Amino acid sequence: QKEVEQNSGPLSVPEGAIASLNCTYSDRGSQSFFWYRQYSGKSPELIMSIYSNGDKEDGRFTAQLNKASQYVSLLIRDSQPSDSATYLCAATSYNQGGKLIFGQGTELSVKP
Amino acid sequence: ETGVTQTPRHLVMGMTNKKSLKCEQHLGHNAMYWYKQSAKKPLELMFVYSLEERVENNSVPSRFSPECPNSSHLFLHLHTLQPEDSALYLCASSQTSGRTDTQYFGPGTRLTVL
Repeated sequence: QKEVEQNSGPLSVPEGAIASLNCTYSDRGSQSFFWYRQYSGKSPELIMSIYSNGDKEDGRFTAQLNKASQYVSLLIRDSQPSDSATYLCAATSYNQGGKLIFGQGTELSVKP
Repeated sequence: ETGVTQTPRHLVMGMTNKKSLKCEQHLGHNAMYWYKQSAKKPLELMFVYSLEERVENNSVPSRFSPECPNSSHLFLHLHTLQPEDSALYLCASSQTSGRTDTQYFGPGTRLTVL
C-alpha cells in the first residue's frame, strides 16, 4: 500500500470552475500535511500546509483535512489556466522522524 | 540571493565521469535534503542532514555520496552513474522545530547520464 496516494490524473476542468484534488494517507501517525504545486520542468512550490481537522483557506485555495478518514484535499476556486500543473500531496509523521512522504502527484489541466 | 539555490541546473555526464551537485540555502535552516524525481514517480528521498549530521540514507547506491560541510551547503558527489540515474535532483531545506518543518525546494539539477 502506498503511504500517500493520489490519482495521477490528468484532471481537466474548465476555466472558472472548482478543481478538487484528493489525497489519502496510510500512516495514522501523520500530523502535518502539505500541498505543493510543480510546473513542468520546475521544482515543487509550497501552496498550503494544514495540521488540524477542518478547512484552511488561503485566497483561491482551500485545504481540507479529515484525520479520521485519513484524507486531505485541495480545492482551487475560479481555476485559471495558470493553475495547470502537477499538485503533490505530502505528509510527515513523527513516527518516521518527521520524514516527508510524497504522493505521485495529480496533473491538473485548466482549459480556457 | 534568497531561498535555496542549486548548481548546475543541467548536467550531462558519461558513466565514467565524476561530478558534483551543489546546493546552498539562505534561509537559516538546520536541515537539508536530497531528493530524486524520475518521470511519473513520486519524489524519492535520498539523504537527510540535520545539524550537519546525516540522519537518513534511504538505501541509496554508493555511487551517490553526499557531503554537508556546514548547515548552508550540501553536495551530492556522483561517480560511475548508470543511465537509469537520469532524473531531476532536488535539494530542499527546512527548520526542524516541532511542527514547523516545512521543506522549501531548490530549482533542481536535471541530470542526464549517457
